[in-house]
Amino acid sequence: DIQMTQSPSSLSASVGDRVTITCRASQSVRRYLNWYQQKPGKAPKLVICAASTLQSGVPSRFSGSGSGTDFTLTISSLQPEDFGTYYCHQSNSIPQTFGQGTKVEFK
Amino acid sequence: EMQLVESGGGLVQPGGSLRLSCAGSGFTFSRNWMTWVRQAPGKGLEWMANIKEDESEKYYVDSVKGRFSIARDNAKNSLFLQMNSLRAEDTAVYYCARINSGVTTGDAFDVWGQGTMVTVSS
Repeated sequence: DIQMTQSPSSLSASVGDRVTITCRASQSVRRYLNWYQQKPGKAPKLVICAASTLQSGVPSRFSGSGSGTDFTLTISSLQPEDFGTYYCHQSNSIPQTFGQGTKVEFK
Repeated sequence: EMQLVESGGGLVQPGGSLRLSCAGSGFTFSRNWMTWVRQAPGKGLEWMANIKEDESEKYYVDSVKGRFSIARDNAKNSLFLQMNSLRAEDTAVYYCARINSGVTTGDAFDVWGQGTMVTVSS
């Protein structure tokens, strides 16, 4: 199974800060790497697909990069509505796996 | 508006069975792979199973193989998860989701239901 490791597990940041979350795969997932945002009590929401493609309707302050084993989700200027937990997800091979999540909180 | 609505969750005793349903609308259900993902209380997301458009391919996480079965009825725009021999560790919110297949879309889960809670307890 491919292990997905996110860092950090949590972070506190202020409105306007640049936030970066990393995701490392235990073996190559090519560009089959997706990012989701989840708020408490809600279903996950797709933010980035195929490593760097912004999902329709998602603000352009979100961006993704990487390929192979190392990936990054960046929020260029954190907004109040961006709080929540972010998960990376590899869809390259079965079983598909998620990272453990990164909780984004406000200072 | 594309929408998925799960139903069928509830309280079940260990060893019991439950069948979850997921109704799709606002998109051509029969043209998409579909998936089930679960989330135990306070924990992260766990992929469960995928099913191809015509049911010709099905994949499961090892922990549910032989106990859970994914199925679909394209005529009724519906996805199902039959869960047998349930254990306490199967307690979770279960989500269905649409898979947007392709290299450019990363086979991402782009439409999600609201989730249905399954509690396995005596």
